[in-house]
Amino acid sequence: QSVLTQPPSASGTPGQRVTISCSGSSSNIGSDPVNWYQQLPGTAPKLLIYSNNHRPSGVPDRFSGSKSGTSASLAISGLQSDDEADYYCAAWDDSLNAAVFGGGTHLTVL
Amino acid sequence: EVQLVQSGAEVKKPGQSLKISCRGSGYSFTNYWIGWVRQMPGKGLEWMGIIYPGDSDTRYRSSLQGQVTISADTSISTAYLQWSSLQASDTAMYYCARLLNTVTNALDYWGQGTLVTVSS
Repeated sequence: QSVLTQPPSASGTPGQRVTISCSGSSSNIGSDPVNWYQQLPGTAPKLLIYSNNHRPSGVPDRFSGSKSGTSASLAISGLQSDDEADYYCAAWDDSLNAAVFGGGTHLTVL
Repeated sequence: EVQLVQSGAEVKKPGQSLKISCRGSGYSFTNYWIGWVRQMPGKGLEWMGIIYPGDSDTRYRSSLQGQVTISADTSISTAYLQWSSLQASDTAMYYCARLLNTVTNALDYWGQGTLVTVSS
């Protein structure tokens, strides 16, 4: 299983706010920045949030990230149908000396 | 515009060798780490390793050490991922991506992916 733990699925209706959690440990989230990626069906992943809560240029402010201790969260407000995708958290792991990903959360927009 | 363009899909037999590529453009190729990420069918993302083309400094996920080789040719702004002897378990989509910096370790630009199928 993955070093970072995410729920396998999440869902919401258009306009709603949803959050996706990511749990780690002191060697990864507890000591290094968290990044989030969005992977739309059949496409390459895209950087959504970097360094816990920063959005790359072009990412809508409906997407936000936060981190507390050894956990992080991605929040999506004003949910839209084209937000339906897989979302992955990631961080560097100082013990493994490698980057680690969460198992991914599939978001369904009902 | 930053772009990473990967080589096309490959179908190989177990035991064969393979080298896939990732050409960068629109930025200084030698000044950014390039990473490789594996996605097995229906599964999540797995970090494989990174290379700094400027000096060829390379880091691997420990479980993959010796299984693959990451390299780069700065004269053509291209990074490579290669296998000397493929196994069926290497069947996956492989992505290259640029590392924003070593503070965040965020992968800010991604290639389109190269699908590798290993089957007898």
